[in-house]
Amino acid sequence: GQNIDQPTEMTATEGAIVQINCTYQTSGFNGLFWYQQHAGEAPTFLSYNVLDGLEEKGRFSSFLSRSKGYSYLLLKELQMKDSASYLCAVRDGDYKLSFGAGTTVTVRA
Amino acid sequence: IAGITQAPTSQILAAGRRMTLRCTQDMRHNAMYWYRQDLGLGLRLIHYSNTAGTTGKGEVPDGYSVSRANTDDFPLTLASAVPSQTSVYFCASSDGLDTGELFFGEGSRLTVL
Repeated sequence: GQNIDQPTEMTATEGAIVQINCTYQTSGFNGLFWYQQHAGEAPTFLSYNVLDGLEEKGRFSSFLSRSKGYSYLLLKELQMKDSASYLCAVRDGDYKLSFGAGTTVTVRA
Repeated sequence: IAGITQAPTSQILAAGRRMTLRCTQDMRHNAMYWYRQDLGLGLRLIHYSNTAGTTGKGEVPDGYSVSRANTDDFPLTLASAVPSQTSVYFCASSDGLDTGELFFGEGSRLTVL
C-alpha cells in the first residue's frame, strides 16, 4: 500500500507563516496534490506538483522533491479562515490518488 | 453550477440493511471515485471508475459495490451494512484517471447501528 506521512496538528498565529511537510512512499508517482478541508465540508483543491520545484499560488505555495519523496505546503500571511485540515495526496503508478491523514492547522488571533 | 451531488446527506441505518449512496456529476468527467473518511485515517479509496462501463477496486473495497452505467452516475451500495461502515462517504470526479484534480461532493454521513 501507499505510505503518506504528515504531522497531525500545527498551531500558528494570525499573520504568520506555517509549513506543512509531507513525505511519501508510493508505487510509482504521477503527481502530488494538496487539498484544504474545513470541518464538516468537502475537500477543495489547493495545488498540484508533478515536477520538482516550487509552485506559487497567492498566499499558498507547494514544493516537491521527487528524489526525496518530500513535499511541503507553505501558508503565508495566515488568516483565521485558514484554520482547516490540509491533506497531502499522491497519484501513484496506477493513477489512483491516496491521501495522508491530514494536518489540522489552528490559527490563533 | 451543481458539480457533484450526493444523496442522502445523512442516514442512520440498522446493521444488515442494504443501502445505496447516490452520486451524480454534471461536469462530464470520465473518472469517478468513492472515498470514506474516518478520524485519524484520512480519506481511503473504496472503488473507482475510469470511464462509463468500467470499475476498479481501491484500498478498502470489501463490503461495497459500485456500478457505472453512464458518465454522470456512480452509486455505491452496501449490500449488508455493518457498524464498521459507519463513516463519512465522499464521491469525487476528475477529468480523467490520469489528469486533473479531484472535485468532491459534500459527503454522506452514514451511521450503522
